[in-house]
Formats: sequence, structure tokens, C-alpha cells
Amino acid sequence: NAGVTQTPKFRILKIGQSMTLQCTQDMNHNYMYWYRQDPGMGLKLIYYSVGAGITDKGEVPNGYNVSRSTTEDFPLRLELAAPSQTSVYFCASSYGTGLAGQYEQYFGPGTRLTVT
Amino acid sequence: SQELEQSPQSLIVQEGKNLTINCTSSKTLYGLYWYKQKYGEGLIFLMMLQKGGEEKSHEKITAKLDEKKQQSSLHITASQPSHAGIYLCGADRAAGNKLTFGGGTRVLVKP
Repeated sequence: NAGVTQTPKFRILKIGQSMTLQCTQDMNHNYMYWYRQDPGMGLKLIYYSVGAGITDKGEVPNGYNVSRSTTEDFPLRLELAAPSQTSVYFCASSYGTGLAGQYEQYFGPGTRLTVT
Repeated sequence: SQELEQSPQSLIVQEGKNLTINCTSSKTLYGLYWYKQKYGEGLIFLMMLQKGGEEKSHEKITAKLDEKKQQSSLHITASQPSHAGIYLCGADRAAGNKLTFGGGTRVLVKP
């Protein structure tokens, strides 16, 4: 069972370049998330999705775009890379929310991005 | 300032000693999650607390949520080198499962 997979693991971008970070989950989870983690800091939510075709902004969405065409995939797009986007990016998924409460999020291994 | 404050920021303990990490919010939490992150890796789910006064344990790790649902602690008994890593608390303030994370606590266990 692969869980949440992310590609690539590492990437170096020049300022102004674009790239897509890939995220796939095989647990049939409805909810998916993108976080960034800056050095010595906690995670901040960039975008999230509650199901295919539905996305919404998190805490720090500027400079990013997402799409959710399938339940499994939730790619994150950087259009014009800036040094401020140097970070480690984590994708996560969860079953969602229910009357019984919340569900834990499962995290991918992360993508380490450097913009120079 | 972060909405979730974790303390201490870092901790060095001798193997076999106990340690406690705290996570505090100024607002009532809908749910509180504890994760562990090994250096350079993703997050591993430890425990989730939802009810005021709730306490959960798994092996040598115990997590508690206070009655007001604004403060949580994570306690490790008789620490081992395998407990080293970064511990993060994450919190829900409303239904929707959107987590806000604390800054993390780096734990190093000296053999």
C-alpha cells in the first residue's frame, strides 16, 4: 500500500521558472492538502480539496495553483518561482470529516524545492 | 506569532529520562493532533484528541487535552533514541479538517 506519494523528491528552480509538484494517494481519500514547511517552522496550508473538482485556498495560497480532476491526484503548480518559495512541500490526504469526528491526515515524504 | 505555540522549541534528554512537550492555543480547539517527523522525512500520525480532558496512550507516549480544549501535552516515558525527531501539534478550529500547526519541538535523545 503506497499511501501518499510525491514527486520529485528534490528540485532546484531558477527564478521565474514554472513547475508542477505531483501528489497521488491510493487510499480513496476525499480530502487532500498541500502544506509548506519553512526551516525551523511548522507547516502552513497552501490549498486543500474536499473532493474531485473542488479546491479552496488555505493560509498561504499566493504564487500557487491547484487542480483536482480525480480523487487520487492533487498537483500543485508554481507559475513564476520566487526565492520565497524555497521550502519543503508536503502533500497529505484524509478520509474527511464525519459525525464521529475528524480523521487523521496521512502525509507524503515531501518535495524539497530550492529557488535561486 | 503562531496561533499554536509549542514549547520547548528543542529538547535534549538522556536516554531513559522522561520528557514533556506542550502545545497551547488562545482559542478553543475542535481537534488536536500530534505528529512526529523524522529529520528530512514526512509526518507520522501519533494521536488525535477531541474531547476536553481526553487522554490517550500508545506504547510510551501519552497525550492529554485539557478541559478547556486549549492546551495539550505530549509525554514520553523512559525515552529511547528512536524517540528522536521533531514533534508537531496540529489543530482544527472548526469542522473541515484544515490544520494549523505549531512550530515543532526538536527532540534529541542522548545514549
